[in-house]
Amino acid sequence: EVQLLESGGGVVQPGGSLRLSCAASGFTFRSNAMAWVRQAPGKGLEWVSKISGSDGRTSYADSVKGRFTVSRDNSKNTLYMQMNSLRVEDTAVYYCVQMSTGGRYFFASWGQGTLVTVSS
Amino acid sequence: QTVVTQEPSFSVSPGGTVTLTCGLNSGSVSTTNFPSWYQQTPGQAPRTLIYTTNTRSSGVPDRFSGSILGNKAALTITGAQADDESDYYCVLYMGSGIWVFGGGTKLTVL
Repeated sequence: EVQLLESGGGVVQPGGSLRLSCAASGFTFRSNAMAWVRQAPGKGLEWVSKISGSDGRTSYADSVKGRFTVSRDNSKNTLYMQMNSLRVEDTAVYYCVQMSTGGRYFFASWGQGTLVTVSS
Repeated sequence: QTVVTQEPSFSVSPGGTVTLTCGLNSGSVSTTNFPSWYQQTPGQAPRTLIYTTNTRSSGVPDRFSGSILGNKAALTITGAQADDESDYYCVLYMGSGIWVFGGGTKLTVL
Protein backbone atom coordinates (compact mmCIF):
# COMPACT_ATOMS: atom_id res chain seq x y z
CA GLU A 1 0.00 0.00 0.00
CA VAL A 2 1.28 3.41 -0.98
CA GLN A 3 1.83 5.69 1.98
CA LEU A 4 2.82 9.35 1.77
CA LEU A 5 3.44 11.24 4.99
CA GLU A 6 3.98 14.97 4.80
CA SER A 7 5.65 17.04 7.49
CA GLY A 8 7.15 20.47 7.98
CA GLY A 9 4.06 22.63 7.83
CA GLY A 10 3.48 25.42 10.28
CA VAL A 11 3.09 29.16 10.72
CA VAL A 12 5.61 31.50 9.09
CA GLN A 13 5.74 35.23 8.52
CA PRO A 14 5.52 36.75 5.05
CA GLY A 15 8.92 36.68 3.42
CA GLY A 16 9.97 33.67 5.47
CA SER A 17 10.97 30.16 4.47
CA LEU A 18 9.79 26.65 5.18
CA ARG A 19 10.79 23.17 4.02
CA LEU A 20 8.22 20.46 3.54
CA SER A 21 9.10 16.77 3.52
CA CYS A 22 7.19 13.73 2.32
CA ALA A 23 8.21 10.25 3.40
CA ALA A 24 7.10 7.65 0.88
CA SER A 25 6.66 3.92 1.27
CA GLY A 26 4.88 0.99 -0.34
CA PHE A 27 6.30 1.48 -3.83
CA THR A 28 9.62 1.85 -5.66
CA PHE A 29 10.10 5.55 -5.01
CA ARG A 30 12.69 6.23 -7.70
CA SER A 31 10.36 4.81 -10.37
CA ASN A 32 7.71 7.48 -9.95
CA ALA A 33 7.59 11.17 -10.59
CA MET A 34 6.25 13.04 -7.58
CA ALA A 35 4.28 16.24 -7.25
CA TRP A 36 3.04 18.83 -4.80
CA VAL A 37 -0.54 20.04 -5.02
CA ARG A 38 -1.95 22.66 -2.68
CA GLN A 39 -5.36 23.81 -1.56
CA ALA A 40 -5.97 27.20 0.03
CA PRO A 41 -8.65 27.28 2.75
CA GLY A 42 -12.07 26.91 1.14
CA LYS A 43 -10.59 26.91 -2.36
CA GLY A 44 -9.82 24.41 -5.09
CA LEU A 45 -6.79 22.31 -5.88
CA GLU A 46 -3.72 23.91 -7.48
CA TRP A 47 -0.80 21.98 -9.00
CA VAL A 48 2.44 23.42 -7.65
CA SER A 49 5.38 21.37 -8.82
CA LYS A 50 6.55 18.06 -10.22
CA ILE A 51 9.88 16.21 -10.17
CA SER A 52 10.76 13.23 -12.33
CA GLY A 53 11.80 9.95 -10.78
CA SER A 54 15.28 9.28 -11.97
CA ASP A 55 16.69 12.33 -13.72
CA GLY A 56 15.20 14.90 -11.36
CA ARG A 57 13.69 17.13 -14.02
CA THR A 58 11.41 19.70 -12.42
CA SER A 59 8.50 21.93 -13.39
CA TYR A 60 6.61 24.61 -11.49
CA ALA A 61 3.41 26.59 -11.60
CA ASP A 62 3.98 30.24 -12.47
CA SER A 63 2.66 31.23 -9.04
CA VAL A 64 5.67 29.66 -7.27
CA LYS A 65 8.39 29.70 -9.93
CA GLY A 66 11.59 31.22 -8.61
CA ARG A 67 10.48 30.91 -4.97
CA PHE A 68 9.86 27.19 -4.46
CA THR A 69 12.30 24.37 -5.18
CA VAL A 70 11.30 20.71 -5.33
CA SER A 71 13.86 17.99 -4.75
CA ARG A 72 14.04 14.34 -3.81
CA ASP A 73 16.38 11.89 -2.13
CA ASN A 74 15.78 8.49 -3.68
CA SER A 75 18.05 6.84 -1.10
CA LYS A 76 15.73 8.07 1.66
CA ASN A 77 12.45 7.72 -0.27
CA THR A 78 11.73 11.33 0.55
CA LEU A 79 10.37 14.28 -1.41
CA TYR A 80 11.04 17.87 -0.40
CA MET A 81 9.74 21.34 -1.14
CA GLN A 82 11.84 24.34 -0.14
CA MET A 83 9.58 27.37 0.02
CA ASN A 84 11.20 30.81 0.14
CA SER A 85 9.83 34.36 0.02
CA LEU A 86 6.51 33.08 1.28
CA ARG A 87 3.39 35.17 0.71
CA VAL A 88 0.04 35.25 2.46
CA GLU A 89 -1.48 33.67 -0.65
CA ASP A 90 0.75 30.61 -0.20
CA THR A 91 -1.35 29.64 2.82
CA ALA A 92 -2.72 26.20 2.00
CA VAL A 93 -2.73 22.51 2.73
CA TYR A 94 0.13 21.02 0.73
CA TYR A 95 -0.39 17.49 -0.57
CA CYS A 96 2.42 15.16 -1.57
CA VAL A 97 1.31 13.13 -4.59
CA GLN A 98 2.65 10.02 -6.29
CA MET A 99 2.36 10.41 -10.02
CA SER A 100 1.51 7.68 -12.46
CA THR A 101 4.05 5.82 -14.51
CA GLY A 102 3.88 4.91 -18.17
CA GLY A 103 3.20 8.37 -19.57
CA ARG A 104 -0.34 8.60 -18.25
CA TYR A 105 0.13 11.98 -16.56
CA PHE A 106 -2.19 11.70 -13.57
CA PHE A 107 -2.02 11.97 -9.81
CA ALA A 108 -2.20 8.42 -8.54
CA SER A 109 -1.95 8.52 -4.72
CA TRP A 110 -2.25 11.37 -2.26
CA GLY A 111 -0.90 12.06 1.20
CA GLN A 112 -3.10 13.59 3.89
CA GLY A 113 -1.49 17.00 3.57
CA THR A 114 0.35 19.47 5.78
CA LEU A 115 -0.92 22.97 6.52
CA VAL A 116 1.24 25.99 5.80
CA THR A 117 0.04 29.29 7.20
CA VAL A 118 1.74 32.51 6.14
CA SER A 119 0.71 35.30 8.46
CA SER A 120 2.18 38.18 10.38
CA GLN B 1 -3.23 32.15 -19.29
CA THR B 2 -4.77 28.69 -19.34
CA VAL B 3 -8.01 28.36 -17.41
CA VAL B 4 -9.76 25.02 -16.92
CA THR B 5 -13.48 25.49 -16.50
CA GLN B 6 -15.92 23.43 -14.43
CA GLU B 7 -19.47 24.05 -13.31
CA PRO B 8 -19.30 25.57 -9.80
CA SER B 9 -22.17 23.47 -8.58
CA PHE B 10 -24.56 20.78 -9.69
CA SER B 11 -27.46 18.94 -8.16
CA VAL B 12 -28.72 15.41 -8.82
CA SER B 13 -31.48 13.30 -7.36
CA PRO B 14 -30.63 9.97 -5.76
CA GLY B 15 -30.56 7.36 -8.51
CA GLY B 16 -30.25 10.00 -11.18
CA THR B 17 -27.54 10.65 -13.74
CA VAL B 18 -25.33 13.72 -13.86
CA THR B 19 -22.55 14.79 -16.21
CA LEU B 20 -19.89 17.21 -15.02
CA THR B 21 -17.68 18.86 -17.61
CA CYS B 22 -14.13 20.15 -17.86
CA GLY B 23 -13.25 22.67 -20.54
CA LEU B 24 -10.59 25.12 -21.61
CA ASN B 25 -10.99 28.89 -21.87
CA SER B 26 -9.36 28.65 -25.27
CA GLY B 27 -9.38 25.53 -27.36
CA SER B 28 -10.74 22.05 -26.95
CA VAL B 29 -9.93 19.32 -24.47
CA SER B 30 -8.60 16.17 -26.11
CA THR B 31 -7.16 12.86 -25.02
CA THR B 32 -3.69 14.38 -25.32
CA ASN B 33 -4.55 16.48 -22.25
CA PHE B 34 -4.85 13.17 -20.34
CA PRO B 35 -7.91 14.40 -18.41
CA SER B 36 -8.29 12.97 -14.91
CA TRP B 37 -10.89 13.39 -12.21
CA TYR B 38 -10.70 13.51 -8.41
CA GLN B 39 -13.31 13.34 -5.68
CA GLN B 40 -12.87 15.20 -2.41
CA THR B 41 -15.03 15.34 0.69
CA PRO B 42 -14.51 18.02 3.35
CA GLY B 43 -11.39 17.56 5.41
CA GLN B 44 -10.14 14.66 3.32
CA ALA B 45 -7.43 14.26 0.72
CA PRO B 46 -8.58 13.90 -2.88
CA ARG B 47 -9.31 10.45 -4.25
CA THR B 48 -8.42 9.53 -7.81
CA LEU B 49 -11.49 8.50 -9.80
CA ILE B 50 -10.72 8.56 -13.52
CA TYR B 51 -7.49 8.92 -15.51
CA THR B 52 -6.49 9.10 -19.17
CA THR B 53 -9.99 10.30 -20.02
CA ASN B 54 -11.95 7.14 -19.21
CA THR B 55 -10.01 4.65 -17.07
CA ARG B 56 -11.41 4.06 -13.60
CA SER B 57 -8.93 3.96 -10.76
CA SER B 58 -8.78 0.81 -8.65
CA GLY B 59 -11.85 0.36 -6.47
CA VAL B 60 -13.93 3.07 -8.15
CA PRO B 61 -17.50 1.90 -8.81
CA ASP B 62 -18.54 1.54 -12.43
CA ARG B 63 -21.27 4.14 -11.97
CA PHE B 64 -18.44 6.64 -12.56
CA SER B 65 -17.32 7.03 -16.16
CA GLY B 66 -15.22 9.46 -18.12
CA SER B 67 -15.36 10.62 -21.70
CA ILE B 68 -14.79 13.45 -24.14
CA LEU B 69 -18.06 15.18 -25.00
CA GLY B 70 -17.71 17.70 -27.77
CA ASN B 71 -14.80 19.92 -26.82
CA LYS B 72 -14.76 19.03 -23.12
CA ALA B 73 -13.85 16.17 -20.83
CA ALA B 74 -16.79 14.78 -18.91
CA LEU B 75 -17.43 12.79 -15.76
CA THR B 76 -20.75 10.98 -15.66
CA ILE B 77 -22.26 9.50 -12.52
CA THR B 78 -25.04 7.02 -13.28
CA GLY B 79 -27.32 6.07 -10.39
CA ALA B 80 -26.06 8.73 -8.00
CA GLN B 81 -25.87 7.81 -4.35
CA ALA B 82 -25.90 9.98 -1.26
CA ASP B 83 -22.21 9.43 -0.61
CA ASP B 84 -21.38 10.79 -4.06
CA GLU B 85 -22.05 14.24 -2.60
CA SER B 86 -18.55 15.72 -2.86
CA ASP B 87 -16.35 18.19 -4.68
CA TYR B 88 -15.11 16.96 -8.04
CA TYR B 89 -11.98 18.28 -9.71
CA CYS B 90 -10.61 17.70 -13.17
CA VAL B 91 -7.03 18.35 -14.18
CA LEU B 92 -5.52 18.65 -17.62
CA TYR B 93 -1.94 18.06 -18.73
CA MET B 94 -0.85 21.04 -20.81
CA GLY B 95 2.49 19.66 -21.90
CA SER B 96 6.01 20.61 -20.81
CA GLY B 97 5.41 19.20 -17.35
CA ILE B 98 2.54 21.56 -16.56
CA TRP B 99 -0.86 20.61 -15.13
CA VAL B 100 -3.86 22.86 -14.55
CA PHE B 101 -6.77 22.01 -12.26
CA GLY B 102 -10.29 23.18 -12.80
CA GLY B 103 -12.01 25.16 -10.09
CA GLY B 104 -14.05 22.15 -8.99
CA THR B 105 -17.73 21.27 -8.98
CA LYS B 106 -19.67 20.93 -5.76
CA LEU B 107 -22.16 18.10 -6.30
CA THR B 108 -25.27 17.91 -4.16
CA VAL B 109 -27.36 14.75 -4.06
CA LEU B 110 -30.91 15.50 -3.00
